[in-house]
Amino acid sequence: DAKTTQPNSMESNEEEPVHLPCNHSTISGTDYIHWYRQLPSQGPEYVIHGLTSNVNNRMASLAIAEDRKSSTLILHRATLRDAAVYYCIPQSRYNFNKFYFGSGTKLNVKP
Amino acid sequence: SAVISQKPSRDICQRGTSLTIQCQVDSQVTMMFWYRQQPGQSLTLIATANQGSEATYESGFVIDKFPISRPNLTFSTLTVSNMSPEDSSIYLCSVVGPNEKLFFGSGTQLSVL
Repeated sequence: DAKTTQPNSMESNEEEPVHLPCNHSTISGTDYIHWYRQLPSQGPEYVIHGLTSNVNNRMASLAIAEDRKSSTLILHRATLRDAAVYYCIPQSRYNFNKFYFGSGTKLNVKP
Repeated sequence: SAVISQKPSRDICQRGTSLTIQCQVDSQVTMMFWYRQQPGQSLTLIATANQGSEATYESGFVIDKFPISRPNLTFSTLTVSNMSPEDSSIYLCSVVGPNEKLFFGSGTQLSVL
């Protein structure tokens, strides 16, 4: 399984963009890159995922490097509700859909 | 999406006893997953529960300690056996739903005295 490296913590001001990096240099060519977040006292929730192209949804954008060894989750305007631990997870379709969580990045949003 | 009901939401147990956690999904799913989240830590996959076959355990987890049942495509249980204070954690049930997204139950907060 591909290993990931994320900053332990990051800080952002409310209503400013946030770029959360993830290094996954051992990712295989068929692994999707998933991002989940865990709000305090809740189970993780899906944020976004992609394979090669950049992806956008109502929550965030995902920028994937051309060599796929890294990706960046972009929150366009951080809110206090975005304060959470963000996990980047390479997910193999050939590994029975198992998701292995790394240590994640704790995002603190300041008002 | 998949809606997952997990119970109990929390429990306080005595050392040496066992607790069974239930997970109910609102749709049929092939695989269900059980995770443990120790205080201040990330999630660790315990096992994959398959309907009609034995659960598949991750390294460091064994069936005698964490027996799992999967009687049908919408339900699973995880038992934490012969508990010790080190088992104090949040236990989470999850499934892969539509579009390969992972959905989680609200978790079971277990404290062992």
